[in-house]
Amino acid sequence: DTAVSQTPKYLVTQMGNDKSIKCEQNLGHDTMYWYKQDSKKFLKIMFSYNNKELIINETVPNRFSPKSPDKAHLNLHINSLELGDSAVYFCASSQGWVGIGELFFGEGSRLTVL
Amino acid sequence: AQTVTQSQPEMSVQEAETVTLSCTYDTSESDYYLFWYKQPPSRQMILVIRQEAYKQQNATENRFSVNFQKAAKSFSLKISDSQLGDAAMYFCAYTGTASKLTFGTGTRLQVTL
Repeated sequence: DTAVSQTPKYLVTQMGNDKSIKCEQNLGHDTMYWYKQDSKKFLKIMFSYNNKELIINETVPNRFSPKSPDKAHLNLHINSLELGDSAVYFCASSQGWVGIGELFFGEGSRLTVL
Repeated sequence: AQTVTQSQPEMSVQEAETVTLSCTYDTSESDYYLFWYKQPPSRQMILVIRQEAYKQQNATENRFSVNFQKAAKSFSLKISDSQLGDAAMYFCAYTGTASKLTFGTGTRLQVTL
């Protein structure tokens, strides 16, 4: 059983399109995250939700809209895709504060914008 | 803001040898945690080891150990008896009062025969 699963694993799309990435965790964790890994492998947090409430929003363009329908799911919708959005997007989860509870990552979703 | 610096973009080690990856960080917080994550070509992020700042004893996990120097804000990872499967990107990461990880830029480790 995959602990943190993301779909799709790969996305190829044209500039200007809208796309979504879904994430589900079966660990019973109360906190979920989206991280972006750019072409130089730099990882940076985008959003964090705790029990469906947004707690971290790291100056991400408002074309990116996270949604957490329940604490086991965190989806990422991206409007009007741009070339610079090409990256690997990682979903992750933890139980409480990430210092105490280990952060579990999904396998990542590679988004390519043409 | 907290920053994490990994000054070695690439390192190479021979199988069975020991290698040390460097990491420094900057913070004004007194309570924090430090981590090393491994990212093999499969892309999966895997926790290698973690260190609580309030603990003076360096963390150890089998062949992986850290040298945590709190005053110097240094957190290096030592891999002993290197194996081919250790080849990966290694990321140093920090978390303080905000529940998020701040990552370094990574070190690519090659393991040669």
